[in-house]
Amino acid sequence: GENVEQHPSTLSVQEGDSAVIKCTYSDSASNYFPWYKQELGKGPQLIIDIRSNVGEKKDQRIAVTLNKTAKHFSLHITETQPEDSAVYFCAAVPGGSQGNLIFGKGTKLSVKP
Amino acid sequence: DAGVTQSPTHLIKTRGQQVTLRCSPKSGHDTVSWYQQALGQGPQFIFQYYEEEERQRGNFPDRFSGHQFPNYSSELNVNALLLGDSALYLCASSFGQGFGDTQYFGPGTRLTVL
Repeated sequence: GENVEQHPSTLSVQEGDSAVIKCTYSDSASNYFPWYKQELGKGPQLIIDIRSNVGEKKDQRIAVTLNKTAKHFSLHITETQPEDSAVYFCAAVPGGSQGNLIFGKGTKLSVKP
Repeated sequence: DAGVTQSPTHLIKTRGQQVTLRCSPKSGHDTVSWYQQALGQGPQFIFQYYEEEERQRGNFPDRFSGHQFPNYSSELNVNALLLGDSALYLCASSFGQGFGDTQYFGPGTRLTVL
């Protein structure tokens, strides 16, 4: 079955710097890749997603890139702010499934003022 | 527009007991998925309900069962609780036939099994 690996597990940056989180997946038929932000005591919040027919998507300070050949996708956050501090999860929907998300283990991002 | 809601927020049970968790989907959504999130881990898919039927199931034992009502709300039932069932249980709702519909999560129910 699908396996999603996420790196790094922790990331500390200075306010204003960029942060990059990388994920790889195993099922070449996977077709949908969302990213979620989870703050302490809350449920995951969708921040951006990308589908397999698109290579890059951007929403203000957040961007996601997808390399289907290499089977990896990345989250890029520019001009980081302290409120970006949270745990970020990547996920993939395996090909042929009807929407079950397979999550990575998460990246704890700390943005220092 | 209300998002996904879950109840209760917290729950404490003892081993062997049974528990029922509830979820109301986002307005306009017809599909509900349940996930278990252990501390420090990513959520793991339990099952998904669409048109009151279990459409897909993850690698969880039969002690985990669910139901979807005509108004699209859903329940997750866990029988014969084990210590290892302690986790945050998340409900996510979406609209459509599956195959990568965007899922929106509720705040979760924190279950502690003593």
